[in-house]
Amino acid sequence: AQSVAQPEDQVNVAEGNPLTVKCTYSVSGNPYLFWYVQYPNRGLQFLLKYITGDNLVKGSYGFEAEFNKSQTSFHLKKPSALVSDSALYFCAVRDPFKAAGNKLTFGGGTRVLVKP
Amino acid sequence: DAGVIQSPRHEVTEMGQEVTLRCKPISGHDYLFWYRQTMMRGLELLIYFNNNVPIDDSGMPEDRFSAKMPNASFSTLKIQPSEPRDSAVYFCASSLSRGDYGYTFGSGTRLTVV
Repeated sequence: AQSVAQPEDQVNVAEGNPLTVKCTYSVSGNPYLFWYVQYPNRGLQFLLKYITGDNLVKGSYGFEAEFNKSQTSFHLKKPSALVSDSALYFCAVRDPFKAAGNKLTFGGGTRVLVKP
Repeated sequence: DAGVIQSPRHEVTEMGQEVTLRCKPISGHDYLFWYRQTMMRGLELLIYFNNNVPIDDSGMPEDRFSAKMPNASFSTLKIQPSEPRDSAVYFCASSLSRGDYGYTFGSGTRLTVV
């Protein structure tokens, strides 16, 4: 079965400092990996995805994520955090070779608080 | 494209009343998902449809919850009778059957049962 873990419930970072949100996954094959962000009182918004190719993927709002197959990780990063990056972040995985329909498995979410 | 449209945005109802939440997916998407989000339980998948057919409803909490998708452009989630513990934000999301395609979420319906 596919699963995702986000080990940190909350990450606190000062504005201008690097931001990292951790995600590890478990699938039997090569994964499709996604990051979503949820701002207050909003739905989840797509940030970026890894399907194949370059392990470093770039997404919206200056975010990037690195796929590491040996560590089964897909950590989200931003070199310089902004106060406006304060939100809830979700990692999600799909095993494309499993007959699970189109279902993504989401992590529990990590709340990011960027302080001025 | 207007995205996934949910209505109403907010719903306040009394315990025991019937509540109907509505969702219009993105045109051409063949998957539709209903999620519930609470502080205690996080994001929970309730049910999902493929080509208007329910595929997995194992996340529906109990018989008080039901969902339908009468056509490709409309789905409802009904709670009857509602209870205070049903208070949550309910999200609808749609997607394509392509494995590399993510979900598009609606803005959600915040349900409060008093």
